[in-house]
Amino acid sequence: GAVVSQHPSRVICKSGTSVKIECRSLDFQATTMFWYRQFPKQSLMLMATSNEGSKATYEQGVEKDKFLINHASLTLSTLTVTSAHPEDSSFYICSARDLGRLQETQYFGPGTRLLVL
Amino acid sequence: QKEVEQNSGPLSVPEGAIASLNCTYSDRGSQSFFWYRQYSGKSPELIMSIYSNGDKEDGRFTAQLNKASQYVSLLIRDSQPSDSATYLCAVNFASGGSYIPTFGRGTSLIVHP
Repeated sequence: GAVVSQHPSRVICKSGTSVKIECRSLDFQATTMFWYRQFPKQSLMLMATSNEGSKATYEQGVEKDKFLINHASLTLSTLTVTSAHPEDSSFYICSARDLGRLQETQYFGPGTRLLVL
Repeated sequence: QKEVEQNSGPLSVPEGAIASLNCTYSDRGSQSFFWYRQYSGKSPELIMSIYSNGDKEDGRFTAQLNKASQYVSLLIRDSQPSDSATYLCAVNFASGGSYIPTFGRGTSLIVHP
């Protein structure tokens, strides 16, 4: 149990285009999902906290107009990187909290590797 | 500033030895602590969670928590080369009625045959 999926697993796009990444909790409901970014050999950086039915809470320094987050249901959150540039190339990982069990435990998706040319 | 500190390593141990990974945190009021393992190029996977002072064992893994010292550790017994990975300590800090996870930078563990 407690499986989180992400789609796509890998994406290559041209500079200036927008990319949408989906995060789904497959066998549990999650009112809260988190979006992280990780550059090579660096630690996880929390970008935003996504709450079902409300606006996301962004961490300091993360542009909310560039990284659009939508959490429309208890099992789906999306991150859209708008007008992507090469410096946005990174490993994007989502996680979700399982409401039904240990409320504070996060389960991570497999990540999405974004390369912007 | 709520922080989670880990030695980045690498920590190198021989196969079969005990690996000891340490983590300190800044918020004395924290209640939830987690250890994740992250292989290179992959996302983190949960190993252990611990909420009470003392030890919690799961197979070859033992998490230890000392809230008075604001210290949490992970012991890996009978270390195997497949345990070579980065180990992330995570602490949930209370913020505005919810709990926000904060990760340490991770400790790189190398288990050599």
